Amino acid sequence: AQRVTQPEKLLSVFKGAPVELKCNYSYSGSPELFWYVQYSRQRLQLLLRHISRESIKGFTADLNKGETSFHLKKPFAQEEDSAMYYCALSGGSGGGADGLTFGKGTHLIIQP
Amino acid sequence: EAGVTQSPTHLIKTRGQQATLRCSPISGHTSVYWYQQALGLGLQFLLWYDEGEERNRGNFPPRFSGRQFPNYSSELNVNALELEDSALYLCASSPWTGRIGYTFGSGTRLTVV
Repeated sequence: AQRVTQPEKLLSVFKGAPVELKCNYSYSGSPELFWYVQYSRQRLQLLLRHISRESIKGFTADLNKGETSFHLKKPFAQEEDSAMYYCALSGGSGGGADGLTFGKGTHLIIQP
Repeated sequence: EAGVTQSPTHLIKTRGQQATLRCSPISGHTSVYWYQQALGLGLQFLLWYDEGEERNRGNFPPRFSGRQFPNYSSELNVNALELEDSALYLCASSPWTGRIGYTFGSGTRLTVV
């Protein structure tokens, strides 16, 4: 069975400090990993996906298959980064057959 | 381009009743996914529809069902409502493959009293 673990329910950092949101997964095949973000009073939206190797809003995430991790990082936090962040895994035989498995989420608070 | 739209925004039902939730995907998206976000349980995969057929379902009882119409919109039905069905129900859509990520709607808040 696939599982996603986000060990921190809440993470508080000061503006300008580095941010790392942890995500570990359990899956026997080759997963697709995603980070979703939900800002206050807004809908859940895709932040980035590992297959794109992109940087969005200064955030990056590297898939580490050895450690089965997909941590989200940003070198300098900004107040507008305060939000709920969800790590998600897509397994199955293509086409999202098993749906996305989400972690419980980490509430990131950036203090001024 | 219109996003994923869900209706109603809020729904209050009595235990034992049936609830119907609706979702319209982004134009061109053929896959619709339903998720339940209950307090303390996170996002749980409910159902996946593609091209009018149910492709997969999560670990939910059969009283959670739905369908997808020819225009790819979808309906989620919850029969014999129980108090623990109170949750935010999210719909998401994607093109034929979900591997590029989903686009979510704002959800329907279902309250069972």
